[in-house]
Amino acid sequence: DAGITQSPRHKVTETGTPVTLRCHQTENHRYMYWYRQDPGHGLRLIHYSYGVKDTDKGEVSDGYSVSRSKTEDFLLTLESATSSQTSVYFCAISEQSSGRAGELFFGEGSRLTVL
Amino acid sequence: LAKTTQPISMDSYEGQEVNITCSHNNIATNDYITWYQQFPSQGPRFIIQGYKTKVTNEVASLFIPADRKSSTLSLPRVSLSDTAVYYCLVGDRSSGSARQLTFGSGTQLTVLP
Repeated sequence: DAGITQSPRHKVTETGTPVTLRCHQTENHRYMYWYRQDPGHGLRLIHYSYGVKDTDKGEVSDGYSVSRSKTEDFLLTLESATSSQTSVYFCAISEQSSGRAGELFFGEGSRLTVL
Repeated sequence: LAKTTQPISMDSYEGQEVNITCSHNNIATNDYITWYQQFPSQGPRFIIQGYKTKVTNEVASLFIPADRKSSTLSLPRVSLSDTAVYYCLVGDRSSGSARQLTFGSGTQLTVLP
């Protein structure tokens, strides 16, 4: 299994508080992604990164920011959490040079509840 | 981005072969077809990827007709542990990034004893 660690795995917070989710990889893969998964919506891309300090928005980026200061870490920040951001968040990585270019490797997920 | 359509759910019995079909009518020339499997409380896991004709690995087979407007994931002799959600994705992998891959709602496969 790909070395991807998400933290925290579970978090309960209150509306209006900042939250940071961390994704750490040991694979030295170039690309990193943050998805959210909600019932009836499958997985939706929030932000992705194509290198250190290189990030771009996905389809549901409003209310989220990201940072990637090192190859191995990709942080997702909710500046002021809202109840609509209650979800399961998945980090994923991919590497162009792999035998299956574009193949995503996912972490175990972080369940966030905003009260 | 190519849109995919697949059944919301399917039921099968242990030992049967299961075929899940995905429609992608506006697939582009450079697009590949990729299938993922997701168990509850886990991230999706890559199953198989193909461009045309047939691809087979230790887990599944992927059948793609000549017009590439659909694809069929075939799971031989399913077991209870194959109960999961299966996603069909279409996208250009030439850049290496999977940014363009869009997950739909997937197909919930339930294998019954």
